[in-house]
Parts: sequence; C-alpha cells; structure tokens
Amino acid sequence: EVQLVESGGGLVQPGRSLRLSCAASGFTFDDYAMHWVRQAPGKGLEWVSGISWNSGSIGYADSVKGRFTISRDNAKNSLYLQMNSLRAEDTALYYCAKDLAATVTTLAYWGQGTLVTVSS
Amino acid sequence: DIQMTQSPSSLSASVGDRVTITCQASQDISNYLNWYQQKPGKAPKLLIYDASNLETGVPSRFSGSGSGTDFTFTISSLQPEDIATYYCQQYDNLPPAFGGGTKVEIK
Repeated sequence: EVQLVESGGGLVQPGRSLRLSCAASGFTFDDYAMHWVRQAPGKGLEWVSGISWNSGSIGYADSVKGRFTISRDNAKNSLYLQMNSLRAEDTALYYCAKDLAATVTTLAYWGQGTLVTVSS
Repeated sequence: DIQMTQSPSSLSASVGDRVTITCQASQDISNYLNWYQQKPGKAPKLLIYDASNLETGVPSRFSGSGSGTDFTFTISSLQPEDIATYYCQQYDNLPPAFGGGTKVEIK
C-alpha cells in the first residue's frame, strides 16, 4: 500500500525558513517523480514543485522560484522541500504526491498534508 | 504558463442527475489533462488521467473527454458520496497548473 507521510510543518515567522519532509513507502520510490502541492485555507490547489526520479528534472511555480528548493534522497525514500524567506501568502496545507511516471506528469497518490502557517 | 479555466465554479444537482464540468486550456495541451476529486477535509484523489482514462478502482459513472484546449468531465448519475470539489490539471508544460475547481453539491 502506498503511504506518503509529510512532516515539518508548523508556525514560523515571516522571513524565516522551514524544511518539509515526506516519507514514502509501499512502492519503489526511485521509479517515480514526486511533487509538492499546497492549498491555502479555503482555496484551490497550487502546484509548488516537482522532481523527476533521478533529480535530473526539477520545476517550480513562479510564486516560489528562488525561495524554495525541492530534493529527494532515493536511498532514504524521502522527499524534501526547503522553504526560505517565507511569506504570509505561503500559509497553506502542503501535500506530498507521487507521480504516475518517472517524470512530472500526473499526481497519482497524495499524502494527508502538513500545515505551514507563516505569521508574526 | 498555461492557464486552466474551469466552469462552473459550483453547481447544485439532484441525486441521479448527470453532471458536466468543463475545463479550457489557454493553449493546445493534446490529451495531457487529469481530473481530481477532493472531498471535504481530505487529500485530493486522481480520478481520470490523460483526459479519458479511468484510474483503477474509480466508479464507471465518472468519465472524461476532450483534447486540444477543451475538456469535459462527467458524472453520469450523481451519488451522495460524490459531494466534493473537482479539479482539472494539465501537464503538457511546466508548471502543471490546476483549474480553479468546481464544488459539487446535492440539491
């Protein structure tokens, strides 16, 4: 059974940093691309970043480019999102998602999310 | 970036009704279009990929069609458990943008 468990969320002041983690199990992690998607309270889905199976292809939403960094450790079956220079508008539930393929295409399975609140 | 315009933003229908949601891309995306369901308080779930392929385990009352810039998602007979927000998502180009969502309620 595919399991994705996000962690690392919390309350953080504007301008500070936070690192999210996603622990994956139940599938061959290094066969698939992975994503981070966020959802602000009461709002729709916003794709944040994605990474191919071997980290050879990485993409970011314009809203986070230059501030957020996605990475993965295939030996640890883990996905990460380093978030720097956080802003109030980054407040959201952050989901980790597994792709259907090795490159960025379809978000086939989602974790339950970790909440990030940016506030002074 | 490709923009995805979804309509309507909300709808109310009776149990057993046929429900249709449309999604329009700002440029040709071939069939690189997925549909997701998000029930209240839950993570999204993939229903349809590549515009018309039903994900394993998804009931056959759900279907999708279209190619190029215009796509349609249909629930053939609305059930109470279908109350959710539905999103389209393109993956022809990065970033893989979502539509704004359609909230489906029971009348």
